[in-house]
Amino acid sequence: EAQVTQNPRYLITVTGKKLTVTCSQNMNHEYMSWYRQDPGLGLRQIYYSMNVEVTDKGDVPEGYKVSRKEKRNFPLILESPSPNQTSLYFCASSFSAYARTGKQPQHFGDGTRLSIL
Amino acid sequence: GENVEQHPSTLSVQEGDSAVIKCTYSDSASNYFPWYKQELGKGPQLIIDIRSNVGEKKDQRIAVTLNKTAKHFSLHITETQPEDSAVYFCAASRPRLAGSQGNLIFGKGTKLSVKP
Repeated sequence: EAQVTQNPRYLITVTGKKLTVTCSQNMNHEYMSWYRQDPGLGLRQIYYSMNVEVTDKGDVPEGYKVSRKEKRNFPLILESPSPNQTSLYFCASSFSAYARTGKQPQHFGDGTRLSIL
Repeated sequence: GENVEQHPSTLSVQEGDSAVIKCTYSDSASNYFPWYKQELGKGPQLIIDIRSNVGEKKDQRIAVTLNKTAKHFSLHITETQPEDSAVYFCAASRPRLAGSQGNLIFGKGTKLSVKP
């Protein structure tokens, strides 16, 4: 089954304790992206990756890191989490940001709810 | 950069009625407009998309219209059912030639409630 898998689904942690949220897709997609979803603000992009070893900042990258060592995985790293990073996080992937037939739709994971105390 | 406004933020309809959600975008270079449905506890799921060379697209009870001149696009759901209740997001994206990396800019969402 084609899917984007995020882990963990829920995490409560404390300020300053490094954490990693994993994201894996089994569709051989080139493009992957991380979003955070906050009430009244919709989905805002944190980082994205056009392909292996190619990453770039989205709209709200501060406090986050990513890596793309393999095509299928795109972990989100919070080196020193703070309470303002409490949010619902989504990973998404698409075959390519640009394919011959135009834009490719993004497939989303089911989210990771992070609470940072 | 691109800015996408979505209205209304909440919408309540009676089962069987139609629902319309509207979005406006600021960047005339945007050429791809997907709509996502997010059910409780799930990630957004693409339900329909439209490209700027098309004015309307329909898929069963769901349709999307695009007015490039006015820079707005709308989602229409006919014969609504309780299972249509969810949060709906519109989004816009610019083409690569306009310097974009294919990223989507999302509206803030519309919570649709369909009452039986």
